[in-house]
Amino acid sequence: DGGITQSPKYLFRKEGQNVTLSCEQNLNHDAMYWYRQDPGQGLRLIYYSQIVNDFQKGDIAEGYSVSREKKESFPLTVTSAQKNPTAFYLCASSIDPSTHYGYTFGSGTRLTVV
Amino acid sequence: ILNVEQSPQSLHVQEGDSTNFTCSFPSSNFYALHWYRWETAKSPEALFVMTLNGDEKKKGRISATLNTKEGYSYLYIKGSQPEDSATYLCACSDNYGQNFVFGPGTRLSVLP
Repeated sequence: DGGITQSPKYLFRKEGQNVTLSCEQNLNHDAMYWYRQDPGQGLRLIYYSQIVNDFQKGDIAEGYSVSREKKESFPLTVTSAQKNPTAFYLCASSIDPSTHYGYTFGSGTRLTVV
Repeated sequence: ILNVEQSPQSLHVQEGDSTNFTCSFPSSNFYALHWYRWETAKSPEALFVMTLNGDEKKKGRISATLNTKEGYSYLYIKGSQPEDSATYLCACSDNYGQNFVFGPGTRLSVLP
C-alpha cells in the first residue's frame, strides 16, 4: 500500500543536540511538507519541497533544516538553534503542489527535549 | 497572513446527537477549503475539498457547506457515533493555492 512513513514515533533528545526526523513516501508525489503542531494551535508549516533538490522555508523555519536528495525522502533536522523544539511533527505529501489537493499525511513524530 | 479559525475548540456530544462546527477564513482571494478528520494515533484523513460558494459535500453521515462570500464553512455530523470522535481540521488556501493554512481544529468526543 502507498503511503507516508515517519519514524520514529517518539523521540527524546538532550538539549543542545541535533536530531533528524525521517519522512519517506512511495506515492510518487512531487511535493512534500513538514508541519509542527503545538497544543491549541493549527499545523504550522516549517519547510516544503515541490521538487527534488529544491525546498522553501515555511512560516517557522528558524532552527530547522531539510534536504530533498530523493523524491521519496524529505528528512527534517531539528537543530540546537531551535529554541522550543518539543512538539509533534507531521510530514505530508501532495499530488499537486500548486493547489494542495490530495494531501497525504504521515502519522507523526513526537519530539521531547529533555 | 491567512488566518483560519475554528469553533468550538472542543465538543462533547452523546451518541445519536447531531452536531456541527465552524471554520472561518478571510473571504478575499479565496481558493479552496479542505476538511480533514484526525483520529488519535492515526494520520489526518481528507474528507472534503470545496471551492465554489454554495458547495455542499456529503460522505455518509458527514456533510459540509461553504460560504465564500462571508468566509465560513460548516461541518455537520448526523447521528454521531463513538467512532466519529476525532479532531476535525479545516485548511484554507488563497491566491490560487499559494497560501495554505490550517485551523487549530475542533476536538469532538462522542460519548456512548
